[in-house]
Amino acid sequence: DGGITQSPKYLFRKEGQNVTLSCEQNLNHDAMYWYRQDPGQGLRLIYYSQIVNDFQKGDIAEGYSVSREKKESFPLTVTSAQKNPTAFYLCASKGKGNSGNTIYFGEGSWLTVV
Amino acid sequence: AQSVTQPDIHITVSEGASLELRCNYSYGATPYLFWYVQSPGQGLQLLLKYFSGDTLVQGIKGFEAEFKRSQSSFNLRKPSVHWSDAAEYFCAVGAPDFGNEKLTFGTGTRLTIIP
Repeated sequence: DGGITQSPKYLFRKEGQNVTLSCEQNLNHDAMYWYRQDPGQGLRLIYYSQIVNDFQKGDIAEGYSVSREKKESFPLTVTSAQKNPTAFYLCASKGKGNSGNTIYFGEGSWLTVV
Repeated sequence: AQSVTQPDIHITVSEGASLELRCNYSYGATPYLFWYVQSPGQGLQLLLKYFSGDTLVQGIKGFEAEFKRSQSSFNLRKPSVHWSDAAEYFCAVGAPDFGNEKLTFGTGTRLTIIP
């Protein structure tokens, strides 16, 4: 089935550690996104990538890093510099053509700092 | 920059009653508009979208939304809700002139259904 796969679903991190969240899509979409969701704050854009080997900062990029070495993959690293990393993280993608203006989401990953 | 406001944080509706969730946006021209639904601990599912043309758009699960330029609104409606509609609903706006790369979301409206 086509879709966006995020892993792991649940992740616990000790303070001072970096962690990487995986996002893979088999929709052949060019653009990929990472959003962070906190209660009562909706979704906020962390990073996005419109093409392989290129990405741009979103509204809350500090403490995060990404790479886009392959079209289907857009991993997010939450670094130790991120002061409040406990949140729900959503990966998304967007294609071209008739569905080119619609962003589709994965099922999300919960990150908890312990 | 675009912005979107969902004025209702939480709405409670009886099963079988009608529903309207409010969404107001700020953008200099006609934006792209979306409604998404999220069940607890899950990703977001697209309900419907408006890009241009007919201002009344139909979506999945019996939902519809109407774009009203004069009111800068894109309210979501359903004539009769079901218990399975209980979820969080997000309105989002995208800027066509920037290729919709940065979709801006409202803070969401949590819908509770009572028997």
